[in-house]
Amino acid sequence: DAGVTQSPTHLIKTRGQQVTLRCSPKSGHDTVSWYQQALGQGPQFIFQYYEEEERQRGNFPDRFSGHQFPNYSSELNVNALLLGDSALYLCASSPVSGANVLTFGAGSRLTVL
Amino acid sequence: AQSVTQLDSQVPVFEEAPVELRCNYSSSVSVYLFWYVQYPNQGLQLLLKYLSGSTLVKGINGFEAEFNKSQTSFHLRKPSVHISDTAEYFCAVFSNTNAGKSTFGDGTTLTVKP
Repeated sequence: DAGVTQSPTHLIKTRGQQVTLRCSPKSGHDTVSWYQQALGQGPQFIFQYYEEEERQRGNFPDRFSGHQFPNYSSELNVNALLLGDSALYLCASSPVSGANVLTFGAGSRLTVL
Repeated sequence: AQSVTQLDSQVPVFEEAPVELRCNYSSSVSVYLFWYVQYPNQGLQLLLKYLSGSTLVKGINGFEAEFNKSQTSFHLRKPSVHISDTAEYFCAVFSNTNAGKSTFGDGTTLTVKP
């Protein structure tokens, strides 16, 4: 049973560019949350998707947007990249009936130069 | 609003010694509490959780934690650590009134020395 898979694992972008990160949730999970983990810090909640809609959003600017597809997979898009966007981006999935227990992917490490 | 404070950023300990990683939380409503572990270049893995019932919860790899409502704490313990326990540990809190959002502490780096 595959867990949460994320792609790409690593990527390098320059300031002002746009990036799309992808996530496939664990089988049986229908809720996807995205977190940003800067170096030396804990994960910070970006947003959560359920039934193809954004259900909750953290304190992140509109440059951060997302999407959930009918098969529950999700994308995180970041526009107009800043140096400060360099971080590990974690996707976590959960069943709606047990939304408090998260299963994390290995993350996508974004470096902005 | 809810918050999590991990009181120690780094904890060095010798192999086979006991260890305690401290976590305090703040919330105006009932919460669920979690500890996750992160090994280098990996995502977070659930160690244990407190949802309700007994305040002493046992998790994987011999770890346990005790929920103390009056102290608003959820400290993680292991009686005898191994080299392989070297990792980053995160305490997290979740409340149904903030549905979908888990709040994490900044982590504690546990380094087990031979």
